Amino acid sequence: NAGVTQTPKFQVLKTGQSMTLQCAQDMNHNSMYWYRQDPGMGLRLIYYSASEGTTDKGEVPNGYNVSRLNKREFSLRLESAAPSQTSVYFCASSEAPELGEQYFGPGTRLTVT
Amino acid sequence: AQRVTQPEKLLSVFKGAPVELKCNYSYSGSPELFWYVQYSRQRLQLLLRHISRESIKGFTADLNKGETSFHLKKPFAQEEDSAMYYCAPGGYQKVTFGTGTKLQVIP
Repeated sequence: NAGVTQTPKFQVLKTGQSMTLQCAQDMNHNSMYWYRQDPGMGLRLIYYSASEGTTDKGEVPNGYNVSRLNKREFSLRLESAAPSQTSVYFCASSEAPELGEQYFGPGTRLTVT
Repeated sequence: AQRVTQPEKLLSVFKGAPVELKCNYSYSGSPELFWYVQYSRQRLQLLLRHISRESIKGFTADLNKGETSFHLKKPFAQEEDSAMYYCAPGGYQKVTFGTGTKLQVIP
């Protein structure tokens, strides 16, 4: 039982390049989330998916797109990376929002130069 | 929107001293609140939830509806408690975490 996994762990991009961050969970959770973590800003929600086939914007969605490929996988895409997107990205999942607890992946450290 | 506020970005205490990490919430009703912890370069993990009223690693948190607070407390800080601590509301799909407090325990 791996929990929530993310790839890659580290990535360096040049401004304007694109990439996809991958996330998978093996806990059969319905809800999945993407956050970014920046010093002094805490965790900010980018997008979430309440269930397979649905996605919705969070607090800071601009510059990102997501795909809920199936119940297990939720990917985050940067179409044209900008230095402001330098951050640590965390994926999380939860069984149901009313139960509250989220399980987090190990994070992806992204640098955009 | 259901929001929580963590007023301190950094809290430094000496080993053995009491710790109190503050969290205030700003919504009505019966909130569900959680504390998460993130040790250096590790993933966030749940520390405790108010509904269970449990003590994990010596930490407790009591929901105070009068003061709309859910402060995290520990009577005697240990060096291994040094970490980032996040307060978060539960029960909602769109969760807004607090900005976090970095706890630094000085040996």
